[in-house]
Amino acid sequence: RKEVEQDPGPFNVPEGATVAFNCTYSNSASQSFFWYRQDCRKEPKLLMSVYSSGNEDGRFTAQLNRASQYISLLIRDSKLSDSATYLCVAHNSGYALNFGKGTSLLVTP
Amino acid sequence: ETGVTQTPRHLVMGMTNKKSLKCEQHLGHNAMYWYKQSAKKPLELMFVYSLEERVENNSVPSRFSPECPNSSHLFLHLHTLQPEDSALYLCASSQAGVGTEAFFGQGTRLTVV
Repeated sequence: RKEVEQDPGPFNVPEGATVAFNCTYSNSASQSFFWYRQDCRKEPKLLMSVYSSGNEDGRFTAQLNRASQYISLLIRDSKLSDSATYLCVAHNSGYALNFGKGTSLLVTP
Repeated sequence: ETGVTQTPRHLVMGMTNKKSLKCEQHLGHNAMYWYKQSAKKPLELMFVYSLEERVENNSVPSRFSPECPNSSHLFLHLHTLQPEDSALYLCASSQAGVGTEAFFGQGTRLTVV
C-alpha cells in the first residue's frame, strides 16, 4: 500500500465553485502534513501546512483527521489560477517527505 | 540569489554520455534531496543528504551517483543512462526535522536518447 494516496482526478469545476480534496496516509507515525501545489512543468511549491486543529489561509482550508488518517483541502470561490496539481505530503520522523501522486484541478470559466 | 537553483534546466544526453546536474541552496538548510518525477508518477525520493552525509538511498541504480561537497551544494552525476531515466529531476532542501517543509528547485528536465 502506498504511503500517501490521493484521487488523481481530474476535478473540473466552474469558477466560483467550492472543491474539496482528500488524501489518506498509511503511516500512523506521520507527524507533519502539507499541501503542495505544482503547476504544469514547474516545481512543487508549498501551499500550506496542515495542523491538527485545522487551519485556514484565505480561500484555502486544511484539516487533519488523525483517527482516520486523512487530510483534506477545501478551496472556496475557485479562481482560474487555482488550476494545478495539488500534492498531499506526510512526514514521519525520517528525513523524507512522502508525496502523494497529486490531484489535478481544472477551473473553467 | 535566493532559494534553490538547479542547472541545467534542460539536458539531452546519449546513453553513453556522462553529465552532472547541479543544485545550490541559499536558505541555510542542512538537508538536501534529489527527487525524480516521471510522467504520471508521484515524486520518487532518490537520495537524502543531511549535514553532508548521505542518510537515505532508495534503491537507486548505480548509474546515478550523488555528491554533496558542502551543505549548500548537491550534484547528481549521470552515466550510461537509459531512455526510461528521462524525467524531471528535482532538488530540494530543508532544515532537517519534523514539521519543516522542503523547498524545491525548478528542476532539470532530462531526456535520454
